[in-house]
Amino acid sequence: QVRLQESGPGLVKPSETLSLTCTVSGDSISSYYWSWIRQPPGKGLEWIGFIYYGGSTNYNPSLKSRVTISVDTSKNQFSLKLSSVTAADTAVYYCARHIVGATMLFDYWGQGTLVTVSS
Amino acid sequence: EIVLTQSPGTLSLSPGERVTLSCRASQSVTSSYLAWYQQKPGQAPRLLIYGASSRATGIPDRFSGSGSGTDFTLTISRLEPEDFAVYHCQQYGRSPATFGQGTNLEIK
Repeated sequence: QVRLQESGPGLVKPSETLSLTCTVSGDSISSYYWSWIRQPPGKGLEWIGFIYYGGSTNYNPSLKSRVTISVDTSKNQFSLKLSSVTAADTAVYYCARHIVGATMLFDYWGQGTLVTVSS
Repeated sequence: EIVLTQSPGTLSLSPGERVTLSCRASQSVTSSYLAWYQQKPGQAPRLLIYGASSRATGIPDRFSGSGSGTDFTLTISRLEPEDFAVYHCQQYGRSPATFGQGTNLEIK
C-alpha cells in the first residue's frame, strides 16, 4: 500500500522560507513523478510543481520564482521550499503521486499539513 | 492557464436523489484530460473520474462523467450518505494543471 506523509513546521513567519518534506512508503520514489499541491482555507486546490527522481522539475508559473522542489532517493523523500512567504501562502499542503508519467493526474495523496504564515 | 468554473457552488440534496455537477473551462481541454475528485472534511482528495468519463479503480458505477471541449459534468445517479462531500474538477492536459473552486454537496 502506497503511503505519503508530509512533515514540517506548522507555523512560518512572513518573509521566511516554508520547508516541507514528503516521505513515501510502499513504493520506490524512482518509479513515478511527484507533486506538491496546496489548498488555502475554504478555497480550491492549486498545483505547485512536480519532480522526477532524476531531478527534472516543472513549476506553476505563478509560484516559479519562489519554489524549489528536490528529491532524496536514498530516503525515498521529496521536499518543497517556498521562499518569501506571506499570509496568502497559508494553506494545507499536500504531496501526491502522478498516476502515470509526467501527466498531472494524481492517484495517491498525503493527508496534508496545515502551514500558517504569521508573525 | 485554463480556468475551471464549477457550478453550483453549493447543492443541498437528499439521499437517493440524482445530481449533476458542472465544470466549464475557459479554453478547450486537451484530449478531454479532465478529472473529478471527491474530498471529505479533513481528508485528501480522492480520484473519481479521469479522461472525462473513466472511473478510477474502486469507484462505484453510480459515479459517471461526461463532456468534452469546455463543458464537463459529473453525475451521481443515486446519492448515498457517504457521497456528501466537496467535488473538484481538474484539467491536466496543459501545464499548469488547474482545479475548479469546488462544489459542496450537502445533505438537505
